[in-house]
Amino acid sequence: AQSVTQPDIHITVSEGASLELRCNYSYGATPYLFWYVQSPGQGLQLLLKYFSGDTLVQGIKGFEAEFKRSQSSFNLRKPSVHWSDAAEYFCAGGPYGNEKLTFGTGTRLTIIP
Amino acid sequence: NAGVMQNPRHLVRRRGQEARLRCSPMKGHSHVYWYRQLPEEGLKFMVYLQKENIIDESGMPKERFSAEFPKEGPSILRIQQVVRGDSAAYFCASSPGQVAKNIQYFGAGTRLSVL
Repeated sequence: AQSVTQPDIHITVSEGASLELRCNYSYGATPYLFWYVQSPGQGLQLLLKYFSGDTLVQGIKGFEAEFKRSQSSFNLRKPSVHWSDAAEYFCAGGPYGNEKLTFGTGTRLTIIP
Repeated sequence: NAGVMQNPRHLVRRRGQEARLRCSPMKGHSHVYWYRQLPEEGLKFMVYLQKENIIDESGMPKERFSAEFPKEGPSILRIQQVVRGDSAAYFCASSPGQVAKNIQYFGAGTRLSVL
């Protein structure tokens, strides 16, 4: 079955520290993969996407993600977090050519001073 | 350049009433998707529509739920005879289709509360 898994429900990071949020996928074919961010009471904002090609993709707000086929992972990273990065982060994916996105359960990021 | 517009932002209904949620896609987008987010959960796909056509409704509950995307006007997600379990945030997304068809842009959502 197609699935997207985010193993970490909640992560706390100090402001200025580096961040890595994990995402694993299970698809038979090459997937499309996305990271979205959701602030409280808000909709989802697209951070970055992977379709094919270069496995390291750059997004907005200083985020990047690396697609690793061998590990079925698409982890999100940021070298130095800011207090405004506190939010819920969702990994999502879909098999090539399929319009239906499958979302992970999300990782809530808390930033401490 | 307006994004995906959803209204109302908050909707309160009593059990047995009908809920109508509206979604206007981004300008130039002809594909609309509806997702439901239950508390403390991720988004779950419900339905995918193009103008006047339902393409994939595999995530829609079999009863009480329906969706449309008419030639003119917004997409509507309709929930008849609401129950407390329908309380959730409902998100609409749109995409331009074709080459970039898998990039979905989301609205701010409608939060439905059933009393």
